[in-house]
Amino acid sequence: GENVEQHPSTLSVQEGDSAVIKCTYSDSASNYFPWYKQELGKRPQLIIDIRSNVGEKKDQRIAVTLNKTAKHFSLHITETQPEDSAVYFCAAMDDSGGYNKLIFGAGTRLAVHP
Amino acid sequence: DGGITQSPKYLFRKEGQNVTLSCEQNLNHDAMYWYRQDPGQGLRLIYYSQIVNDFQKGDIAEGYSVSREKKESFPLTVTSAQKNPTAFYLCASSIDLAADTQYFGPGTRLTVL
Repeated sequence: GENVEQHPSTLSVQEGDSAVIKCTYSDSASNYFPWYKQELGKRPQLIIDIRSNVGEKKDQRIAVTLNKTAKHFSLHITETQPEDSAVYFCAAMDDSGGYNKLIFGAGTRLAVHP
Repeated sequence: DGGITQSPKYLFRKEGQNVTLSCEQNLNHDAMYWYRQDPGQGLRLIYYSQIVNDFQKGDIAEGYSVSREKKESFPLTVTSAQKNPTAFYLCASSIDLAADTQYFGPGTRLTVL
C-alpha cells in the first residue's frame, strides 16, 4: 500500500518569504495528490491538487510541483502572510484496494511571523 | 464543504461508555468516510461507505462501528473496546469512491475522562 512522508514537521518564516513543504510517496501507481490546509480546530480544506499527468500547477500564491520519477511532490507558497499560518497536509491517492483511498502525510505546521 | 456537518463539536466520555458521533451531508454524495486525527499525525481512515447499507473497514477500525441507513447520514460509534479514543474525528464525503476530492466536516473532538 501507499506510504506518504512529509517534511518538515514545522516551518517558521517571516511574512513575505516563501515556504516549501515536501512529500514523498511510495506507490508509483498513485495518480492524484491533494494538499489540505487545516487551521486550528477546524476542518481540512483542499487548497490545491495535482494529477500525475501534470508536472506543475499554480493558483495565485500557491503552486504544487510533481516529480513522478522521484516520487515526490511539493507545495510552494510565495509572499507568505500571517493568515497562511496553519497545518498543511499532503496526500496521495491509493486505489490498490479497489477504491480511491487518500493516504495522508503527518502534516507541517507553518508559522508566518509578521 | 458547508454541506457536511458533524455533531457535537466537543464530546466527553467516561471510560467504558460507548458514544456516537453524528455526520450528515446534503451534497448528495454516495461515499462517506471517517478519519481519526491525533496530534503530530496525519489523518487515518477508520471506516468508509460507498452506498447505503454498505460499509468497509479502513486502516484502524478496531473499537469502532458505523451504520449507513440513509445516504445523508454516517454515524460513528466509539465503543469501549477502543483503547485510546481521545482524538479529533473527521467525517468526509465524496461524489463516489472513484472520486478524487473529499470534503470534510468540521470535526468532533472526543475526550475520555
